[in-house]
Amino acid sequence: DAKTTQPPSMDCAEGRAANLPCNHSTISGNEYVYWYRQIHSQGPQYIIHGLKNNETNEMASLIITEDRKSSTLILPHATLRDTAVYYCIRLYGGATNKLIFGTGTLLAVQP
Amino acid sequence: EAGVAQSPRYKIIEKRQSVAFWCNPISGHATLYWYQQILGQGPKLLIQFQNNGVVDDSQLPKDRFSAERLKGVDSTLKIQPAKLEDSAVYLCASSPYDKQYFGPGTRLTVT
Repeated sequence: DAKTTQPPSMDCAEGRAANLPCNHSTISGNEYVYWYRQIHSQGPQYIIHGLKNNETNEMASLIITEDRKSSTLILPHATLRDTAVYYCIRLYGGATNKLIFGTGTLLAVQP
Repeated sequence: EAGVAQSPRYKIIEKRQSVAFWCNPISGHATLYWYQQILGQGPKLLIQFQNNGVVDDSQLPKDRFSAERLKGVDSTLKIQPAKLEDSAVYLCASSPYDKQYFGPGTRLTVT
């Protein structure tokens, strides 16, 4: 049970911002929101994670709503190399918890 | 830094044969994971090691799958005997704490 809901696919024009939504309405207070992506024929790649506050790193920004029931991953300037399946995952805080992947969102960046 | 290494990258076997996969995690990472990814699905955790002890193997089909982690470093995953439904990509990941780093995977085809 992945416990998150994501649209199966999205398109984005190259150079524009890609906004990927995720619903996690039953998330508990000590569960983090993690995002990974998987480019075709590669292993998943960590992008970003957060608990309550918005987060930004060199790859993306993560916006978490105040009630924590949903979040949005933002790729500010999408490129063709960002075409991938993006997974939104809930994770109980701790070093040894397993990632439960759903089917994710296939983001297709169009030239 | 060097990433997670896996070998072989591809393997084709007939059903009822045996196969083994090897993983070398990132140096210093205490936690090691094996995932199975069937085409069109997200990865599913098979087994998780903390150093050389098993933390979670609840999803490992123990009648045919086995795994070990030697001296808390390298790991092997074995399938004996293989079934058609074992055709998948087998991913290894390692983690120092809060992020998992994935290898490129081994694509297994059982005919």
